[in-house]
Amino acid sequence: ETGVTQTPRHLVMGMTNKKSLKCEQHLGHNAMYWYKQSAKKPLELMFVYNFKEQTENNSVPSRFSPECPNSSHLFLHLHTLQPEDSALYLCASSHPQGIPRGYTFGSGTRLTVV
Amino acid sequence: QKEVEQNSGPLSVPEGAIASLNCTYSDRVSQSFFWYRQYSGKSPELIMSIYSNGDKEDGRFTAQLNKASQYVSLLIRDSQPSDSATYLCAVDNNNDMRFGAGTRLTVKP
Repeated sequence: ETGVTQTPRHLVMGMTNKKSLKCEQHLGHNAMYWYKQSAKKPLELMFVYNFKEQTENNSVPSRFSPECPNSSHLFLHLHTLQPEDSALYLCASSHPQGIPRGYTFGSGTRLTVV
Repeated sequence: QKEVEQNSGPLSVPEGAIASLNCTYSDRVSQSFFWYRQYSGKSPELIMSIYSNGDKEDGRFTAQLNKASQYVSLLIRDSQPSDSATYLCAVDNNNDMRFGAGTRLTVKP
């Protein structure tokens, strides 16, 4: 257990469904991130939140909608996804101030869009 | 040009050998550098960080940084089959972290 918990671990959804991914961190970090990991590609940064405020939206399609109610929780709301959105979605957290000390990742949600 | 570039591998070494993983980056002002290990089906796990030129050793792992050449490497001494994983290089500039695609390492018994 890394201190960053993601649920669900696996998700299969149809293109017309609406679902949400949840991330919770117990590390006292103030920055949280959503990444997409596809096979043989670098991690793609999707969204960044610092102290609950969204500081980066990396040209992500509107069918992905993030929500950060507080510094410990992060959601990714999904609707009308495409098969190419199938990937591993990773949540991470960090201290955004001072010397960067790397990110702590959750276990990820393996998403399959059918 | 890719921001963080790694040889995708696979890199195969025999048990007990030294595994050498390399990474180059394009942003000259990058300040912090990290290596993550990712086992198949798992999430990335931070194993090393390095901030200044030279070597940094932690157990069997040594990270090497050369900012002039924009090059960072990871050496794994006495490689074990349990080291078989994908190793991700990450470069941070002012809390903007960029990852390489990773190098897959296989350590054969």
